[in-house]
Amino acid sequence: DGGITQSPKYLFRKEGQNVTLSCEQNLNHDAMYWYRQDPGQGLRLIYYSQIVNDFQKGDIAEGYSVSREKKESFPLTVTSAQKNPTAFYLCASKEQAGRETQYFGPGTRLLVL
Amino acid sequence: SQKIEQNSEALNIQEGKTATLTCNYTNYSPAYLQWYRQDPGRGPVFLLLIRENEKEKRKERLKVTFDTTLKQSLFHITASQPADSATYLCASQTGANNLFFGTGTRLTVIP
Repeated sequence: DGGITQSPKYLFRKEGQNVTLSCEQNLNHDAMYWYRQDPGQGLRLIYYSQIVNDFQKGDIAEGYSVSREKKESFPLTVTSAQKNPTAFYLCASKEQAGRETQYFGPGTRLLVL
Repeated sequence: SQKIEQNSEALNIQEGKTATLTCNYTNYSPAYLQWYRQDPGRGPVFLLLIRENEKEKRKERLKVTFDTTLKQSLFHITASQPADSATYLCASQTGANNLFFGTGTRLTVIP
């Protein structure tokens, strides 16, 4: 059963804490993406990776970090430097070689305690 | 800067009618536009892609048009059903071959 999984579904962060959101895909896609979604706003790109061991900042990368050590995995760390982390986080993947459609995971909702 | 706008935040429509959602773009000429459906608390799901040289694309009860003169895409759902109630997102590519998204239109189909 191919697809993208994100865990956990809900995540709570305390002040000053780093938290890591998991994203795994078994679609054999080259590119992976992290978006943040806030009420009334569109999806905003945080980071993306088009190939293993390489990633690029998106529009709102400050306070976040990523790694891409394996093709199927693209974890996102929300650091303590991100002052307003409460949001719905979406991971997506895409074949390369000219494909345009992105496939999304179910999302992780991050809440601050 | 490149901009994509979905002017209607919400749209209510009676079951059986055709729902029409609008996506406008400014300051660039996209090679294609995509439409996604998003249910509450879930990730978006791809529906249709239309390229700049295509006037219209259909898939079952869905139809998308692309008017490069008006800089607009229209998304139609014919014979709408309550199960069509969701938020619909328009998306377009950036120069870096990534997508950027409109804020979405929340469609409610009333039985």
